[in-house]
Amino acid sequence: GAGVSQSPSNKVTEKGKDVELRCDPISGHTALYWYRQSLGQGLEFLIYFQGNSAPDKSGLPSDRFSAERTGGSVSTLTIQRTQQEDSAVYLCASSLAGRTSGYTDTQYFGPGTRLTVL
Amino acid sequence: AQSVTQPDIHITVSEGASLELRCNYSYGATPYLFWYVQSPGQGLQLLLKYFSGDTLVQGIKGFEAEFKRSQSSFNLRKPSVHWSDAAEYFCAVAPNTGNQFYFGTGTSLTVIP
Repeated sequence: GAGVSQSPSNKVTEKGKDVELRCDPISGHTALYWYRQSLGQGLEFLIYFQGNSAPDKSGLPSDRFSAERTGGSVSTLTIQRTQQEDSAVYLCASSLAGRTSGYTDTQYFGPGTRLTVL
Repeated sequence: AQSVTQPDIHITVSEGASLELRCNYSYGATPYLFWYVQSPGQGLQLLLKYFSGDTLVQGIKGFEAEFKRSQSSFNLRKPSVHWSDAAEYFCAVAPNTGNQFYFGTGTSLTVIP
C-alpha cells in the first residue's frame, strides 16, 4: 500500500480480555516500530523489529504484551488480560532500513489504533 | 537512563511571530535527534533530524533546529508561524547504540490570529 495501515482503527474491550492489533508496513520496509501514546504521557517506545527479529523487547511494559512479525511484513501486537491502564493509541511505524542505517531513514507512521479498556 | 524533556506543555503564539520549542535530552554520547509534528486527527510526520555534521538542521515547512552539545539541547525554531502550524510537536532521541527510540511528552502549539 501507499502508507502504513493499522487495524482496527478503534477497539473497545472489557478488562481481562485479550486484544490483537495489526500493522501493515510500507512494502519493502525492513524496520517496524510499535509505540503507545497515552494522554498526557507522550509516545512510549514499545518494540522494534528488524526483519522478523526484535533485538530489544525491553520497551514492552509487561509480560502481558507481546509482538511478532511474519514474512518481514505484517506485525501483530497482542495484549493479554487487558487492564484499564492499557487504554491508549497504539502507533506503528516503518522505515526502510532502521537500525542498520543508523536511523538515517525516515519512520512513517500509521494512523494508530485507539484501544479503550472498560 | 536516557530521557527526553520538553519543558513546555503548551505554547501560544500569534500568527507571524517567531517560535522556539525546547527539547533537552539526557544521554552520554550524541544521539540521533528528531522532531515530529502531529496535526489533529493525523499521524506523526517527521520535520527534521540530526545525525552529525552541521549543528543547524533545516526541515520541512520552514522549520529548523539547532543541536547544542554543551546544553544537550535540540530546539526547534520557525521565524514566522502560520495558523496551519498549530499541532503537537514531539522531540525524539535514538541513542547511537541500542535499538530504542525515546519521545518527549510533546508541546502543544496554538496559533492565534
